[in-house]
Amino acid sequence: AQSVTQLGSHVSVSEGALVLLRCNYSSSVPPYLFWYVQYPNQGLQLLLKYTSAATLVKGINGFEAEFKKSETSFHLTKPSAHMSDAAEYFCAVGNTGFQKLVFGTGTRLLVSP
Amino acid sequence: GAGVSQSPSNKVTEKGKDVELRCDPISGHTALYWYRQSLGQGLEFLIYFQGNSAPDKSGLPSDRFSAERTGGSVSTLTIQRTQQEDSAVYLCASSSRGDGSVETQYFGPGTRLLVL
Repeated sequence: AQSVTQLGSHVSVSEGALVLLRCNYSSSVPPYLFWYVQYPNQGLQLLLKYTSAATLVKGINGFEAEFKKSETSFHLTKPSAHMSDAAEYFCAVGNTGFQKLVFGTGTRLLVSP
Repeated sequence: GAGVSQSPSNKVTEKGKDVELRCDPISGHTALYWYRQSLGQGLEFLIYFQGNSAPDKSGLPSDRFSAERTGGSVSTLTIQRTQQEDSAVYLCASSSRGDGSVETQYFGPGTRLLVL
């Protein structure tokens, strides 16, 4: 079975500070990993996706994530937070034999001026 | 091109009534998924359609829930005899294929269902 754990239901940062959202996964086969962002009253938008091509994945809006197999982690980072980054972020895992994504419970990012 | 669309965007119904939620996937996408997003439950997989294959219904919470996909395109999720615990946002997603790789799923804006 696959699972995803997102540590911290809420993360608060100041504008300009580093953003770090944590994701740990469990998978018995090589995983595909995703980060999605959800703005209020909207659907999910893909930020980035890991498919084993490269361990450091760059996404939209300045976000990136690093796949660390030894730590079973796929943490999302952004060097400098912007007010527009305030949203809910979801980490998800899938694999070639398991098309439905398993999502974490989400982390709400709050950005203060 | 156009993204995934869902209708209605909001639905308020009374307990015991049936509801139908519609999803229009991205043109050409062969895989379609329904998820439910509930307060405190996160995002739960409901059902997955891939081409003409039998759907994966393993996530449907009860036999009151059903879904169909006509002509390999539009999908309808039906909830019969709605209960208050069915209140949630129902999200639809589609991807270009789902039969050998994990393609990106593109999500619609969701239907917000409230059962009174």
